[in-house]
Amino acid sequence: GESVGLHLPTLSVQEGDNSIINCAYSNSASDYFIWYKQESGKGPQFIIDIRSNMDKRQGQRVTVLLNKTVKHLSLQIAATQPGDSAVYFCAETKSYQKVTFGTGTKLQVIP
Amino acid sequence: DTGVSQDPRHKITKRGQNVTFRCDPISEHNRLYWYRQTLGQGPEFLTYFQNEAQLEKSRLLSDRFSAERPKGSFSTLEIQRTEQGDSAMYLCASRDINEKLFFGSGTQLSVL
Repeated sequence: GESVGLHLPTLSVQEGDNSIINCAYSNSASDYFIWYKQESGKGPQFIIDIRSNMDKRQGQRVTVLLNKTVKHLSLQIAATQPGDSAVYFCAETKSYQKVTFGTGTKLQVIP
Repeated sequence: DTGVSQDPRHKITKRGQNVTFRCDPISEHNRLYWYRQTLGQGPEFLTYFQNEAQLEKSRLLSDRFSAERPKGSFSTLEIQRTEQGDSAMYLCASRDINEKLFFGSGTQLSVL
């Protein structure tokens, strides 16, 4: 849902391990979901998206899972690398409506 | 570079001054968005344009804020009588026909 709070949840992962970042969205009418990666001082960068008629989509080293029943979205990163360290945001929208961002998760990759 | 471009990257101003930011979207995208982001939070929606029409404004956008997109291409965001609480990263994004939202690098505003 809407991003609230001042403290980002942090996920620490050993390099080479898989990472799973979770997100709860708020609007059951949303039909398009996106994951963004944001590095310090930069704008959010598109990673992967999924539409509501799917429950899983795979990209290169990333997989997004969508559970509409519980309004839950997850991002899985395989073989996490130091370059994956960033803040990750999920976002939800309906066609031609604003994109709403969730609370970010900071991913720290331990070499 | 054919991505979303924002100018300036950084702006430092004194309280009470007016500031204006510019955004050049990806040329074939007719939808343009402004967001604000403070440290530790996700981007918050401010306003959105389809071509030159401003279709939605957040209640976060007080009357000191105004945005324009006069020719349906670049957009400007102006903040009048800046306050310290306006300090944030101002992000612009444009959206393609497949709904993907592409962000610029943002303008970091510091109000002293």
